[in-house]
Amino acid sequence: GQQVMQIPQYQHVQEGEDFTTYCNSSTTLSNIQWYKQRPGGHPVFLIQLVKSGEVKKQKRLTFQFGEAKKNSSLHITATQTTDVGTYFCAGRSVDTDKLIFGTGTRLQVFP
Amino acid sequence: DGGITQSPKYLFRKEGQNVTLSCEQNLNHDAMYWYRQDPGQGLRLIYYSQIVNDFQKGDIAEGYSVSREKKESFPLTVTSAQKNPTAFYLCASSIRSGFNTGELFFGEGSRLTVL
Repeated sequence: GQQVMQIPQYQHVQEGEDFTTYCNSSTTLSNIQWYKQRPGGHPVFLIQLVKSGEVKKQKRLTFQFGEAKKNSSLHITATQTTDVGTYFCAGRSVDTDKLIFGTGTRLQVFP
Repeated sequence: DGGITQSPKYLFRKEGQNVTLSCEQNLNHDAMYWYRQDPGQGLRLIYYSQIVNDFQKGDIAEGYSVSREKKESFPLTVTSAQKNPTAFYLCASSIRSGFNTGELFFGEGSRLTVL
């Protein structure tokens, strides 16, 4: 069945350093969503990407959807302690129309 | 304020007991979902409902049951048949299901511990 993997599983950075998490799907996606879950909290929607090669920015966050629509990335520039949390991608399969969540990347930022 | 309300936030249960988790939304969303989250893992879909009086199994439905008698409500029952029920349960909703779903709105979750 469809699988969505994220790497790395954990990332510890010093405040001010950049951070990137990668999302890879075993099947082609119609769209991909990104969510952030703060420690002890619930996932909160960040963005949805639909087009091949699409790039969207939200302040220090840059989201990219691969040309083949099977992978995506989230890049945070100059991390802050408020960026701490787990970042999940969720890809919708072209074949099944199911939304499958990735395994998540937990980000820890040291001041 | 519009949103999704889950209750209880924490729940302890003895083995062999059924327990029902509540999920209510006032967003007027058609679709509702139940996910299970285990430490270090992503969210796994238990059940989802696209309209009232209709629901479908997700990837890990065994040992769970749901109902959708009202648009606003989608309770989840964790039965004694669920072999490893200790987990964090998240309810979510979206305007509609399928490709044009848009974002999922999540409740704050219910943490179930089986003693």
